[in-house]
Amino acid sequence: DAGVIQSPRHEVTEMGQEVTLRCKPISGHDYLFWYRQTMMRGLELLIYFNNNVPIDDSGMPEDRFSAKMPNASFSTLKIQPSEPRDSAVYFCASTRANTEAFFGQGTRLTVV
Amino acid sequence: DAKTTQPPSMDCAEGRAANLPCNHSTISGNEYVYWYRQIHSQGPQYIIHGLKNNETNEMASLIITEDRKSSTLILPHATLRDTAVYYCIVRVGGGYQKVTFGIGTKLQVIP
Repeated sequence: DAGVIQSPRHEVTEMGQEVTLRCKPISGHDYLFWYRQTMMRGLELLIYFNNNVPIDDSGMPEDRFSAKMPNASFSTLKIQPSEPRDSAVYFCASTRANTEAFFGQGTRLTVV
Repeated sequence: DAKTTQPPSMDCAEGRAANLPCNHSTISGNEYVYWYRQIHSQGPQYIIHGLKNNETNEMASLIITEDRKSSTLILPHATLRDTAVYYCIVRVGGGYQKVTFGIGTKLQVIP
């Protein structure tokens, strides 16, 4: 398996634009997590899914952020409109019951 | 999940043992101690976990005190590739769940 695949690896966008980050979990994993990492706040859990259903989105910072998982092999994290303070590295991770999580390589987002 | 306390940074000479401490004085009876690390620009990686007995795998050893209020992650022969941020997390076992990462310990292995 190629592991958790995130795209794009780097994204630079202008303030106010919509940004979509993508994640392909490991086949057979039924949990998917989205994290955000900044120097100031460290690694924060934003939302996680189980069997494509959002279970806990309490970490989503505000309504500008939304996440979907239309099927077991794909998830998106969307920011609309984007702001400079959204600049961070966004990680996706997947797992299944009684195993550890595997993280993707992350997407480095820069909003200018 | 119980809160953990780790030193923000540590140095270790290459080839020597790196001992990373973690305090978790409010740990509950059903909570495990987990360690992860994050190498620069990569996602976190699971290292090891334990409940109350010492544990060892190919990556590291985990020593948990008898009262379970603290633990130490040991990298027996640190290499430059072990330079990373190490996170100590206390949570219930049974697979990965909603995990909150703290600031961790930045380990710098020095040639």
